[in-house]
Amino acid sequence: EPEVTQTPSHQVTQMGQEVILRCVPISNHLYFYWYRQILGQKVEFLVSFYNNEISEKSEIFDDQFSVERPDGSNFTLKIRSTKLEDSAMYFCASSKDREEGYTFGSGTRLTVV
Amino acid sequence: QKEVEQNSGPLSVPEGAIASLNCTYSDRGSQSFFWYRQYSGKSPELIMSIYSNGDKEDGRFTAQLNKASQYVSLLIRDSQPSDSATYLCAVNRPGGYNKLIFGAGTRLAVHP
Repeated sequence: EPEVTQTPSHQVTQMGQEVILRCVPISNHLYFYWYRQILGQKVEFLVSFYNNEISEKSEIFDDQFSVERPDGSNFTLKIRSTKLEDSAMYFCASSKDREEGYTFGSGTRLTVV
Repeated sequence: QKEVEQNSGPLSVPEGAIASLNCTYSDRGSQSFFWYRQYSGKSPELIMSIYSNGDKEDGRFTAQLNKASQYVSLLIRDSQPSDSATYLCAVNRPGGYNKLIFGAGTRLAVHP
């Protein structure tokens, strides 16, 4: 069964450093998303991406965050200067159309120290 | 008012019983509704989608939707210990690019 692949599975970084989280969505999917889940809290929307541009972003997704689809297969989330409160599980997801549920990747656990 | 509300639980049911999970949502324009299962430390896994009022069955799972009451539920028949997980209700935000809003989840514990 097709799956969304995320790397790395766990990243530890120092506060103020830049991190790039990588995702390979399912190949025939057109809509891409990043969500995050702080430990013990709910899954929160960060950004959606369609047709090579951001379609919607949340208040969390400030100037420190950016997304790219550099080569038609990878989908990346960059955090420019990490803060302690960025520590969370980050999930990439994709869907084929606007009505169907997402397939989530296995997540990247980001720990900022 | 939260956009998607769920009872946090835990909901404890004996093996073989029916587990009933509930969710309410605030945006009347929402059209797509989903149930995800999330095991501890893992990613959400889609188990059911429902778009029309009424019931939708898939194996041991039945999703129920009542748009007038803004209510979605999930029934799990013949509950197994392997069903023990957090169940997330997700509702789409109308007018956008399929942005899903998640509830905080209900923790289900199925005991032998």
